[in-house]
Amino acid sequence: EVQLVESGGDLVQPGGSLRLSCAASGFSFSDFWMTWVRQAPGKGLEWVANINQDGSEKHFVDSVKGRFTISRDNAKNSVYLEMKRLRVEDTAVYYCARDWTYLGKVDHWGQGTQLTVAS
Amino acid sequence: AIHMTQSPSSLSASVGDRVTISCRASQGIRNDLGWYIQKPGKAPQLLIYAATNLQSGVPSRFSASGSGTDFTLTISSLQPEDFATYYCLQDYNYPHTFGQGTKLELK
Repeated sequence: EVQLVESGGDLVQPGGSLRLSCAASGFSFSDFWMTWVRQAPGKGLEWVANINQDGSEKHFVDSVKGRFTISRDNAKNSVYLEMKRLRVEDTAVYYCARDWTYLGKVDHWGQGTQLTVAS
Repeated sequence: AIHMTQSPSSLSASVGDRVTISCRASQGIRNDLGWYIQKPGKAPQLLIYAATNLQSGVPSRFSASGSGTDFTLTISSLQPEDFATYYCLQDYNYPHTFGQGTKLELK
């Protein structure tokens, strides 16, 4: 069974930093792109970033470029979202998901982890 | 970035109704579009990928069509578990972008 479990969400002050983690199991992790999507309170879904199988290709939404980094450790079956210079508007539930980029589907999602940026 | 516009933003319907949700892209995206359902407090779930392909395990009452800029998701006979919010997602280019969502409510 495919499982994705996010962790690391917390309450952080504006300007602070945090790293989110997503632990994967039940599939060959190193064969897949991985994606992060977020959802601000009461709002819609926002695609944030993705990373290819070996970490050599990464893409970000403009609002996080230069502040967020995505990485993965295939030996640990984990993907990470490193977030710096956090803003109040980064407050959201962050989901990681398995991404079949070349088929155009994001087919398994974690339960999400909550990031709150507030003073 | 490609802007995705869903319509309607909200929709009231009854069990057994046939409903259609639309998604329009600000530029052509071939068939690089997926549809997702999200229930309150839950993660999204994939319904349709590559514009018309039903994801494994998704009931056949869900279908979709479209290519280029205009896409539709149809639910042929609404079931109680279908009342939720629906999103389209383009993966034609980066950044990938979601529509704003369509909330399907029980009439």
